[in-house]
Amino acid sequence: DAGVIQSPRHEVTEMGQEVTLRCKPISGHNSLFWYRQTMMRGLELLIYFNNNVPIDDSGMPEDRFSAKMPNASFSTLKIQPSEPRDSAVYFCASSAGNEQFFGPGTRLTVL
Amino acid sequence: DAKTTQPPSMDCAEGRAANLPCNHSTISGNEYVYWYRQIHSQGPQYIIHGLKNNETNEMASLIITEDRKSSTLILPHATLRDTAVYYCIVRVHSNRGANNLFFGTGTRLTVIP
Repeated sequence: DAGVIQSPRHEVTEMGQEVTLRCKPISGHNSLFWYRQTMMRGLELLIYFNNNVPIDDSGMPEDRFSAKMPNASFSTLKIQPSEPRDSAVYFCASSAGNEQFFGPGTRLTVL
Repeated sequence: DAKTTQPPSMDCAEGRAANLPCNHSTISGNEYVYWYRQIHSQGPQYIIHGLKNNETNEMASLIITEDRKSSTLILPHATLRDTAVYYCIVRVHSNRGANNLFFGTGTRLTVIP
């Protein structure tokens, strides 16, 4: 298994642009998580899905952030419009039970 | 979820056992203790978890005190590749099938040659 796949691995964009991060969970996993990591705030849970349904999005910073999971093998995290303070590493993780498997992350830089 | 307290950093000599402590004095009876680690520039990696019994796997051992207010993660023979930030997390297992994790600041372990 290739593990959790995230794309792109690096993204540099300008303030105001739309950014879309993508995640392919491990096949057979029914839970998917989006995290954000910064030096100041550490690793924070943004949202998680169970069986493609959003369960808890209380960690989503504001309305500029949205996440979707149209099917069991794909999820997106969209930021529109992006701001410099959104610069961070965004991790996707999937789980079939107790253990979460993390992807390599997307390093986002908003200029 | 119960909060955890970990030392911010530790050093360990290569080949020696690394013992990473974690305090979780407010843990409730149905909360599990989880350990993850994050090697530089990678996503976090699951290590081990337990409820009240000591646990061992191919990566580490987890020792939980009888009162469950603290635990220790043991890497029996630390290597340079074990240099990472280690997170201790306590969490209830959800019946809804998703176990979201709340990461604190962790312990930065440096294995010294």
